[in-house]
Amino acid sequence: QLQLQESGPGLVKPSETLSLTCTVSGGSISSSRYYWGWIRQPPGKGLEWIGSIYNSGSTYYNPSLKSRVTISIDTSKSQFSLKLSSVTAADTAVYHCARIATGGFDFWGLGTMVTVSS
Amino acid sequence: SYELTQPPSVSVSPGQTARITCSGDALPNQYAYWYQQKPGQAPVVVIYKDSERPSGIPERFSGSSSGTTVTLTISGVQAEDEADYYCQSADSSGTYWVFGGGTKLTVL
Repeated sequence: QLQLQESGPGLVKPSETLSLTCTVSGGSISSSRYYWGWIRQPPGKGLEWIGSIYNSGSTYYNPSLKSRVTISIDTSKSQFSLKLSSVTAADTAVYHCARIATGGFDFWGLGTMVTVSS
Repeated sequence: SYELTQPPSVSVSPGQTARITCSGDALPNQYAYWYQQKPGQAPVVVIYKDSERPSGIPERFSGSSSGTTVTLTISGVQAEDEADYYCQSADSSGTYWVFGGGTKLTVL
């Protein structure tokens, strides 16, 4: 069974860069059938797509975050990563990684809470 | 930026039918997906490609599409269906994904 696990600091200072990694197990991150993505959910609010990456390294970002987001992939480690720069309190959220297939965002990580605070 | 619009809340009694709508200009040309999220859990896809149901999802969940609106229908609602539901699709270019604002389904 495919599993995704987010990891990274739970606390980031304002103006710094948030960095998270998603480790994929039980399946191949190199498959041409899938994209891999990041989604966030502020406390008590809805889901927001941050961006996605293909195994070739092609990336797609939410236009509202594009200037601050970088997503990369390391197929040798079965990992893909998120960097979000110049964070503010508005970036406080649960961050999920997910697999994207023809059936939608079909496998999700449990999510990791990131708080932006000094 | 492209948006999908959902009602904030829907309430139904057990055994009744719940309908949750999602509107967006690109929906005639892009597939819609529906996700169920219960508190403290990751979302689970309940409908994909407008009307397809993944294995393991009860038959009472169905999806339909008409023009710029897609609808998630839950027939014979059960208490366990109480959750937040999100629609998801892509913009007209198919490049950017977007989620609707979410609908809280309350089973009275």
